[in-house]
Amino acid sequence: KAGVTQTPRYLIKTRGQQVTLSCSPISGHRSVSWYQQTPGQGLQFLFEYFSETQRNKGNFPGRFSGRQFSNSRSEMNVSTLELGDSALYLCASSFLQGASVNEQFFGPGTRLTVL
Amino acid sequence: EDQVTQSPEALRLQEGESSSLNCSYTVSGLRGLFWYRQDPGKGPEFLFTLYSAGEEKEKERLKATLTKKESFLHITAPKPEDSATYLCAVQPSSSGGYQKVTFGTGTKLQVIP
Repeated sequence: KAGVTQTPRYLIKTRGQQVTLSCSPISGHRSVSWYQQTPGQGLQFLFEYFSETQRNKGNFPGRFSGRQFSNSRSEMNVSTLELGDSALYLCASSFLQGASVNEQFFGPGTRLTVL
Repeated sequence: EDQVTQSPEALRLQEGESSSLNCSYTVSGLRGLFWYRQDPGKGPEFLFTLYSAGEEKEKERLKATLTKKESFLHITAPKPEDSATYLCAVQPSSSGGYQKVTFGTGTKLQVIP
């Protein structure tokens, strides 16, 4: 079974630009979560999507947005990039059924550098 | 607010020297506690899920245990390839089916040959 894939793997942007990151979950997984990871803050939750609906959102400004498509693939967008947005952006997918515990499986991440 | 604290921040072991990593958590009811391994520049790799106090799970040289307030990841006779950052995360029971998972900042383990 193929794992979670993320594209691109590396990105270099300048301040003020916008960026779109893509995530393809494991086949059959309907939940996709996005995280930002920095050395100082660790893994910070951005948002979670399930069946094309955003169900949870972390404490990030409105410049961070996302969406999920009918095939469960997800994209996240960051507009008006700031230097502090430089980070590893991770996507995780899980198979959600009812109110059970669900393990998340992570992709390799997209390393975003803002100059 | 859910909190996860991992200690130590960094740990250096000689090959074969067993030790334990700690994950202390504060959550209003635990639905699940997760352990992940993360290599530099890569996404976290899922290791274990623990559901209730007293539960233990093993995988090769790793054993995870759970109490009502903390979890331990025991590493027996580690090898250099066990070097990585180990992350702990909790999902509260109040989250329903949602992925409201809180991560600790991890323990960076280095195993020296």
